[in-house]
Amino acid sequence: GQQLNQSPQSMFIQEGEDVSMNCTSSSIFNTWLWYKQEPGEGPVLLIALYKAGELTSNGRLTAQFGITRKDSFLNISASIPSDVGIYFCAGQILPNSGNTPLVFGKGTRLSVIA
Amino acid sequence: DTGVSQNPRHKITKRGQNVTFRCDPISEHNRLYWYRQTLGQGPEFLTYFQNEAQLEKSRLLSDRFSAERPKGSFSTLEIQRTEQGDSAMYLCASSLFLGQETQYFGPGTRLLVL
Repeated sequence: GQQLNQSPQSMFIQEGEDVSMNCTSSSIFNTWLWYKQEPGEGPVLLIALYKAGELTSNGRLTAQFGITRKDSFLNISASIPSDVGIYFCAGQILPNSGNTPLVFGKGTRLSVIA
Repeated sequence: DTGVSQNPRHKITKRGQNVTFRCDPISEHNRLYWYRQTLGQGPEFLTYFQNEAQLEKSRLLSDRFSAERPKGSFSTLEIQRTEQGDSAMYLCASSLFLGQETQYFGPGTRLLVL
C-alpha cells in the first residue's frame, strides 16, 4: 500500500526559529495537503497543493508540491509558541481513479521553547 | 461555526458493547469520510460516501463496523461487540468533490474500550 515518509519525527526549536519538514512517497500524488493537529482535536487544514511545482503560502507557512509529485515540504518561519502541535502531510491520488482517500504521514511533533 | 461536527466527543464503553458515532458534515458537502487514528499515527481511512452511496471500504473496516449516510447528509458509524483494539480517535471529514477536493475534519470522537 501507499506510504508517506514524514520527517523529522519530532523537533524542538527556539521561538523565532524557522522550521522545515517534509514528506516523501513511493507513489505519485496529485494533491498534497498539510494539516496541524492539537491534542484531543481533529486535523486542521493549513495548506492545499494541487499542481506539481506549486508553492503556496499561508501567513508564516509555506508549502511546495514537489516537481516529481512524490514529495512535499512545509516551512514555518519565525516560530511562535502557538505553533506547537503535530503536523501531518497527506497525499491523494487522482480522484477519478476511484481511489480518493487521503494517505497520511506519521506526523512531525513540533515543540517551541519560548 | 459551520464546520464538521461529531458527537459524542468522548465515549467509554465496556468490551462487547455496541457504540454509535455521528458526524454532521459541512452543509452541501457531497463526500463524507471516516478515519481512525491511534496514538502516534496519522489518520487511517475506513470508508467514504458520495451523497448516500458508500463507495469504498478499507480492509481495516471489519464486519463489526458499519456506516450509513441515509439521506446524504449526516453519517453514523456503528461498532458492534467492541474490542479493546477498537480504542482510538474516530475522525470524520467532508469535502465538496468537483474534480478536486479538500477534506475538512471534525474534532473526532475518542473511544476507550475497557
